[in-house]
Amino acid sequence: ETGVTQTPRHLVMGMTNKKSLKCEQHLGHNAMYWYKQSAKKPLELMFVYSLEERVENNSVPSRFSPECPNSSHLFLHLHTLQPEDSALYLCASTSRGEGEAFFGQGTRLTVV
Amino acid sequence: AQTVTQSQPEMSVQEAETVTLSCTYDTSESNYYLFWYKQPPSRQMILVIRQEAYKQQNATENRFSVNFQKAAKSFSLKISDSQLGDTAMYFCAFMYSGNTPLVFGKGTRLSVIA
Repeated sequence: ETGVTQTPRHLVMGMTNKKSLKCEQHLGHNAMYWYKQSAKKPLELMFVYSLEERVENNSVPSRFSPECPNSSHLFLHLHTLQPEDSALYLCASTSRGEGEAFFGQGTRLTVV
Repeated sequence: AQTVTQSQPEMSVQEAETVTLSCTYDTSESNYYLFWYKQPPSRQMILVIRQEAYKQQNATENRFSVNFQKAAKSFSLKISDSQLGDTAMYFCAFMYSGNTPLVFGKGTRLSVIA
C-alpha cells in the first residue's frame, strides 16, 4: 500500500461513453501526475499538477481532460476515446524535496 | 531533455543467483535523483532503491544495490540471492528535483527461475 488509491481498477467503455478515473492521496503531497502505460512502450507522462495548477500537458488529445479540485484528488475525464487509448493509466504523487514518486495501482482501461 | 535507456528488454536468472540490470541516462543537470522501480504482475509500481546524484556512496537496500557511475551516466541495479518474488518489470527512472516528473526507461522484464 503506497498511500495512492486509484479507482476503478478496471474499466471497459465504448467509444461514445463518458467516464472518469479517480486518484486520491493522503500523503500530504503537492504534485500529482497521470501516466499512460501501453504494451511495449515507455511510460508516457500525460499531465502534471503542482499545487492544483496544471503545469504540463504533453500534447495529450482533448478527449482526455484532467481535473484537480484539491491537492489530494486528481481525475481524468474520458470522452469519445479510441481503441488505441486502451492502456494502464497510472497516477503518482510527489512532495517537493523528497525526490520520490508514489504510485497508485493503476486503472486498466479497455476501449471497445 | 533527459532520457533514460535500458538496453536489456528481458533477462532471466536462477533462484539464489545474482543479476545486474543496466541503465544509462543523459542529462546536463548536476543535481538529480535516480530510481529503480519494480512493477510485478499486480501492476503496482514499487520503489526498489533511490540514489541522490550528489552522494558518491552507492545506495543499498537489503539484497538490492546500485552501481552509480556519475561521469559515465550509468546506474545499474544488482539483485543478490534472487527470489521468485523478484519476477517483475524493472524500470530505471530519473527525476531532476523534488517535484518534477519522473522520466522512465522502457523497462527490463526479469524472470527468476526456480
